[in-house]
Amino acid sequence: QKEVEQDPGPLSVPEGAIVSLNCTYSNSAFQYFMWYRQYSRKGPELLMYTYSSGNKEDGRFTAQVDKSSKYISLFIRDSQPSDSATYLCAMSATGGGNKLTFGTGTQLKVEL
Amino acid sequence: GAVVSQHPSWVICKSGTSVKIECRSLDFQATTMFWYRQFPKQSLMLMATSNEGSKATYEQGVEKDKFLINHASLTLSTLTVTSAHPEDSSFYICSARDEGRPGTGELFFGEGSRLTVL
Repeated sequence: QKEVEQDPGPLSVPEGAIVSLNCTYSNSAFQYFMWYRQYSRKGPELLMYTYSSGNKEDGRFTAQVDKSSKYISLFIRDSQPSDSATYLCAMSATGGGNKLTFGTGTQLKVEL
Repeated sequence: GAVVSQHPSWVICKSGTSVKIECRSLDFQATTMFWYRQFPKQSLMLMATSNEGSKATYEQGVEKDKFLINHASLTLSTLTVTSAHPEDSSFYICSARDEGRPGTGELFFGEGSRLTVL
């Protein structure tokens, strides 16, 4: 069993839809949770960073962490074609960017 | 955000040759940089942690003699794939932590370097 599970998709939604992306994990030591966006043939770009359980909102993006269920989510409101990319969840037991464990990424396509 | 630059972004080489990939932090200093490898439709796998002025720390299963890492300054780390073979073909990505933002856990990634070994 992988430490981090993420549905690879692809996920196709119409423009303006609310997108829900999820990851589950098995290591209860993870406390730092991140979401990265990766465009084709590019490096990942940090979208959201959260510590422990709870919600965090930044513009159209909301990250949720439920440590009791070992489940994290990223919601994208009013999705745009420019949001089409692969979204990677990542997590770590320690802060400072050490030892990130990534999910496989979910490929998202937002269609006009 | 902080900028991490990788070079080259794309390289093709013959089997048996060595390839060097550079990773630079452009507007911040990075005592520690990380090298990842990503195969198609798979997650990023940490290969090694590059430490300025000391030896790199390799993850289990990564051959240190094959993937040579040098972190000679606070803004530059290099990964050399020695005697490359087709199975080494992959997308190599470096990342760095902005030392000016301690404890945030934010890693900034380079654009990646796609290696194709013929």
